[in-house]
Amino acid sequence: AQKVTQAQTEISVVEKEDVTLDCVYETRDTTYYLFWYKQPPSGELVFLIRRNSFDEQNEISGRYSWNFQKSTSSFNFTITASQVVDSAVYFCARSHRYGQNFVFGPGTRLSVLP
Amino acid sequence: NAGVTQTPKFQVLKTGQSMTLQCAQDMNHNSMYWYRQDPGMGLRLIYYSASEGTTDKGEVPNGYNVSRLNKREFSLRLESAAPSQTSVYFCASSAIEGGWVTGELFFGEGSRLTVL
Repeated sequence: AQKVTQAQTEISVVEKEDVTLDCVYETRDTTYYLFWYKQPPSGELVFLIRRNSFDEQNEISGRYSWNFQKSTSSFNFTITASQVVDSAVYFCARSHRYGQNFVFGPGTRLSVLP
Repeated sequence: NAGVTQTPKFQVLKTGQSMTLQCAQDMNHNSMYWYRQDPGMGLRLIYYSASEGTTDKGEVPNGYNVSRLNKREFSLRLESAAPSQTSVYFCASSAIEGGWVTGELFFGEGSRLTVL
C-alpha cells in the first residue's frame, strides 16, 4: 500500500512558538496531489491546502507555510507564531490525479498551550 | 447549502446485525468516498466511487459493501457487524474538472457506530 506517514503523534508547544508538522508519502504515480487537513476538537475536517506533484513551490498563507520536496517525498507544514486556536489534529493526505487512493496519514495532534 | 449529509449520526448495533449508512451530496460531485476514523489511525479509506455505478476498494474494504445508485447518493452497508467495526464513519465528495480531481474533499459530519 502506498502510505502517508506522519511520524509525530503528538506535539505540544507554547503559544507563539513556531512548529513544523512532518509528512512523508509513498507513491508510484508521477502525477498526484498532496493535502493538509485540520480536525479541531469539534470534529469536522477542514481543508487547508492542495499541492500537485509538479508544483514544488513553497506556499505561505498567513501564519501557515508548506514545504514540498519531491526528492525526499515530503510535504511539511509549519505554523508560525502558534496560537491556542491552532490546537487540533492535522492530517496529511495524498491522492491520485483522478481521486483514487485518497489516503490520509495517521495525524499529528498539536496542542498549543497558553 | 446542505453539502454532504450522513445518516444516522449515531447507531448502536449488536454483533451480527446489519445496517446501512446513507450519504448524499448536493454539490453535483462525481467522486464520493467512505472513510472510517479510529484513534491513532487517522482516516482510512473503505471504498471510493468515481461516478455513478462504479466503486473501488480502498485500504480497509473487508466487511463492507457500498452502492452508488446515482450521482448524489453513496451508501455503506455492514452485512454482519463486528465489534472491530466500532468507529466514526465519514462520507466525503470531491469534484472532477477536466479529468482531474479538484482536490478538496467535502466531508459529512460523521456517523458514530458502536457494535456491542
